[in-house]
Amino acid sequence: DAGITQSPRHKVTETGTPVTLRCHQTENHRYMYWYRQDPGHGLRLIHYSYGVKDTDKGEVSDGYSVSRSKTEDFLLTLESATSSQTSVYFCAIRGGQVGSYNEQFFGPGTRLTVL
Amino acid sequence: SQQGEEDPQALSIQEGENATMNCSYKTSINNLQWYRQNSGRGLVHLILIRSNEREKHSGRLRVTLDTSKKSSSLLITASRAADTASYFCATDGADGLTFGKGTHLIIQP
Repeated sequence: DAGITQSPRHKVTETGTPVTLRCHQTENHRYMYWYRQDPGHGLRLIHYSYGVKDTDKGEVSDGYSVSRSKTEDFLLTLESATSSQTSVYFCAIRGGQVGSYNEQFFGPGTRLTVL
Repeated sequence: SQQGEEDPQALSIQEGENATMNCSYKTSINNLQWYRQNSGRGLVHLILIRSNEREKHSGRLRVTLDTSKKSSSLLITASRAADTASYFCATDGADGLTFGKGTHLIIQP
């Protein structure tokens, strides 16, 4: 999976608890992304990062925060998990500049269930 | 909001037949990419076609792009059971990659 890992791979938690998902890359790519995938919605962008400490919101950012203190790590935090955040979360990385012809490489995903 | 929309949503064909999936989008793009997702796995990049290209080949894959109609097609020739997966188009524009909802392809042995 192109040197990109996610942890944990599976998590079950209760409503109202904080949850942090980790994405780790060994490719030294500049861009990192968090998506969620739900039936009938495809992949939707939550947040992305274009460098250390540089992040921006995606289409479905409400209820999520991110941090990137090192090039290799991009953390996604659910401050107070809700059942609507039950989903499969994918991290992706991309090299190069915005508008350049670069593909994204995806991690294996984290299946999160909020009870 | 979704930029690319794949059609059909699901497709079932016999092994050895060709499979065609279509993608329509709404705004201008730098390039369009196709990805495959096997069940329970992450997406894997298949092929990228730039906005100034009309057709591209990679092995058994053939992608076309018609920017005037804002549409693309992915053709998989001589399908195999291992091609069973979901296929997503992704448009690369000013806001980065935007994915469609995918076409679920089933290859019957």
